[in-house]
Amino acid sequence: GAVVSQHPSRVICKSGTSVKIECRSLDFQATTMFWYRQFPKQSLMLMATSNEGSKATYEQGVEKDKFLINHASLTLSTLTVTSAHPEDSSFYICSASKVDRARDQPQHFGDGTRLSIL
Amino acid sequence: AQSVTQLDSHVSVSEGTPVLLRCNYSSSYSPSLFWYVQHPNKGLQLLLKYTSAATLVKGINGFEAEFKKSETSFHLTKPSAHMSDAAEYFCVVSDGSSNTGKLIFGQGTTLQVKP
Repeated sequence: GAVVSQHPSRVICKSGTSVKIECRSLDFQATTMFWYRQFPKQSLMLMATSNEGSKATYEQGVEKDKFLINHASLTLSTLTVTSAHPEDSSFYICSASKVDRARDQPQHFGDGTRLSIL
Repeated sequence: AQSVTQLDSHVSVSEGTPVLLRCNYSSSYSPSLFWYVQHPNKGLQLLLKYTSAATLVKGINGFEAEFKKSETSFHLTKPSAHMSDAAEYFCVVSDGSSNTGKLIFGQGTTLQVKP
């Protein structure tokens, strides 16, 4: 159990395009989902914490108008990169926790989305 | 504040030999610790977790880790490396200061397995 599906796995698009990435928990309810960004050969950088039915909490330095997060249901969170530019090219990964606000619960990760902006 | 330090950015072993990936943590709280593995262009897979139960934690694929409070360490080991173990490994501590479930990641250790 605890499968997280992320779609699409890869996106290549022109500068100025908005791109939506979906993160779904397939076999459990996820009240909390997390969005990360990973640069080559580096660790994961938390962008925002997404709670179902409320506004996302963004980490310092992450533009909330640039990276729109919606967590409309207990199994789906979306990240929209608005008006993407080449510097937004990266590997984006989502994760989900089974239980709300439980620090000892592991997060379950999607397979990531490789975003390339031309 | 919590932090995690992975002491080696790169570890190279021969197939069939033991693996040791080192991790030290700093935490003001009783920590929850995790090891995740990431294969190229993939998400992270949970190997094992420590949550204040047994100090020796057994995980998947033959990996295990020992929580040593006196040394603030949570090193990952495997008796015999397999070629498929080549990947990036992350030691992770849960941010106990906020109870939001946020994770704090180490910088990662690349494990190379030579035939």
